[in-house]
Amino acid sequence: GAGVSQSPSNKVTEKGKDVELRCDPISGHTALYWYRQSLGQGLEFLIYFQGNSAPDKSGLPSDRFSAERTGGSVSTLTIQRTQQEDSAVYLCASSSPTGFYGYTFGSGTRLTVV
Amino acid sequence: GESVGLHLPTLSVQEGDNSIINCAYSNSASDYFIWYKQESGKGPQFIIDIRSNMDKRQGQRVTVLLNKTVKHLSLQIAATQPGDSAVYFCAEDTLGRLYFGRGTQLTVWP
Repeated sequence: GAGVSQSPSNKVTEKGKDVELRCDPISGHTALYWYRQSLGQGLEFLIYFQGNSAPDKSGLPSDRFSAERTGGSVSTLTIQRTQQEDSAVYLCASSSPTGFYGYTFGSGTRLTVV
Repeated sequence: GESVGLHLPTLSVQEGDNSIINCAYSNSASDYFIWYKQESGKGPQFIIDIRSNMDKRQGQRVTVLLNKTVKHLSLQIAATQPGDSAVYFCAEDTLGRLYFGRGTQLTVWP
């Protein structure tokens, strides 16, 4: 597609359940990022994939969070045993190899843990 | 730690006026800066970027100024329109990772 696609757009889950969030980056973009945005806040870096290199996981807040990227394209962010503080919008972005024209963001997945 | 921040959390302007949104950064190693616009319920949208070897870059109705001496970045919007109402974020790229400030809420009054 023309843009970064994220699914689902909204997810309500019960505390303690696992959730999977999906990101389809722009075709040909080698870099993929996950960010978290809490209400009224800026974007918090979570994880960064670049080509076939090992991902930069330094932003993941706990070991309940993990992400993978299959075939250098689609990425899945998994949150295990969700907590209420995990409620936020999870944004995915991708960038071209040069990254010069910025990072293209998806519309995000709004996660609500009840 | 080093971070990107904004001087003002909110800015209100009259339609047709010029808007200036400011940003301070502290990582002198950052070599690429981006301004994003985020409307309610949407992801951040790229507006304009600038590399550290430049001090000014112009787009359509927008200008970004970079002052590396005082580590300051600003976004100027000419003839602000109601459709410009949104949250504006500056971000710095350090080693391939983007760091974002908290954002400035711009409100344009008719």
